[in-house]
Order: sequence, then C-alpha cells, then structure tokens
Amino acid sequence: KAGVTQTPRYLIKTRGQQVTLSCSPISGHRSVSWYQQTPGQGLQFLFEYFSETQRNKGNFPGRFSGRQFSNSRSEMNVSTLELGDSALYLCASSFDPSNQPQHFGDGTRLSIL
Amino acid sequence: QQQVKQSPQSLIVQKGGISIINCAYENTAFDYFPWYQQFPGKGPALLIAIRPDVSEKKEGRFTISFNKSAKQFSLHIMDSQPGDSATYFCAASKDFGNEKLTFGTGTRLTIIP
Repeated sequence: KAGVTQTPRYLIKTRGQQVTLSCSPISGHRSVSWYQQTPGQGLQFLFEYFSETQRNKGNFPGRFSGRQFSNSRSEMNVSTLELGDSALYLCASSFDPSNQPQHFGDGTRLSIL
Repeated sequence: QQQVKQSPQSLIVQKGGISIINCAYENTAFDYFPWYQQFPGKGPALLIAIRPDVSEKKEGRFTISFNKSAKQFSLHIMDSQPGDSATYFCAASKDFGNEKLTFGTGTRLTIIP
C-alpha cells in the first residue's frame, strides 16, 4: 500500500511569489491535515480537510490556504511568500478525522530566497 | 492553553541503555497522546500512543508512562540501539484524536556505541 505522497520534495522560491504544494493521501483515506515544521517553532498545524471541507484551521495568516478534491487529494497554497515561510510542509492522512494514527508524508522542503 | 512541553531538547545515551523523554501538557481536555519518531529527510512516523484511561502502554522496547494527575507522560526506550537515533516528538489531541495534534518541540536522541 503506497504511503502519503507529497510533491514536489524540494522547492525554491523568492519573496512575493506564490506556491502550490500537493498531497496524495493513502488510498482510502479521506482526511488530510497539513503541518508546518521549522527548527524554531516545531510542528504547527495548518489545516485539516475532510470530504472537500475544511474542518479545522490553525493560527496562520490568510496567505495560507488549501483545498481538497473529490478524490481526497489535497493542495495547499501560500501567496506573497515571506522569508519566514521557509519550512518543511508535511501532509498527514487518516481514514476519517476520528481515526488515528495520522500517517505522514515525507514533506515538501520550501526555501524562500 | 494548548501547549505541550517536551524535554530534554537533546539526549545522548549509550547503546543498551534506557532513553527517557518527558512531556507535560496543560489542557485537561487532551485525551490522546501519541509519540512520533522522525529520521532526517522523512516525515514523522507513529511509534506508540496512549489514552488517559491507562497509566502505561508497552510495545516492544517502547513504553509510554502516563500520569494524569501530574499531566505528564513519558517515553522510555529500553535497550537503546544506534538505529533509534532520531528526533522524537510527543503530541496531544482532544476528542480521542478527532482534533488536531499539538506537538512538543522534539528531542534529538543519539545512541552511541
């Protein structure tokens, strides 16, 4: 069974640009969560999607947005990139929101120049 | 308060020894406490999890000890091996995991021969 797949693995952008990251959950999983990981702040929850609806949202500015498609694949978008957005962005999936554990992908490493 | 405080930040243990990582939480609504292991370049992977109705859970060399009154839980790795060298994160969630995970800041564990 394939795990959570995140693309691309690495991305370099400049300030002011926007970026879209993709996450394909484990087959059959319908809940997708996104986390930002940085050395200073650790792992912080961004948002969670289930059945194409955002269920929960963390304390991030509106520049961070996401969506989920009918096949449960999810994308997150960051607009007007700032240097502080450099991080590892992790996606996790589970069968549904009440089902643990969440299975994490290996992340997208985003570097802002 | 949603914080989960984790200590120590880094830990060096001799091969065959016991590794102990501690976490403390403030929100008494938390009722699901997982531990994740992360290797460089990889996403976090669930090691073991506990709910507050038990004080201890053991899976192989890994044991979670849970103290509800003190709002603390810890991970014990028995007979630590070089392959256990990784970063470990504790986490907590409400509603039996139905809510987002709040992570500790991580412990970098190094097992030396």
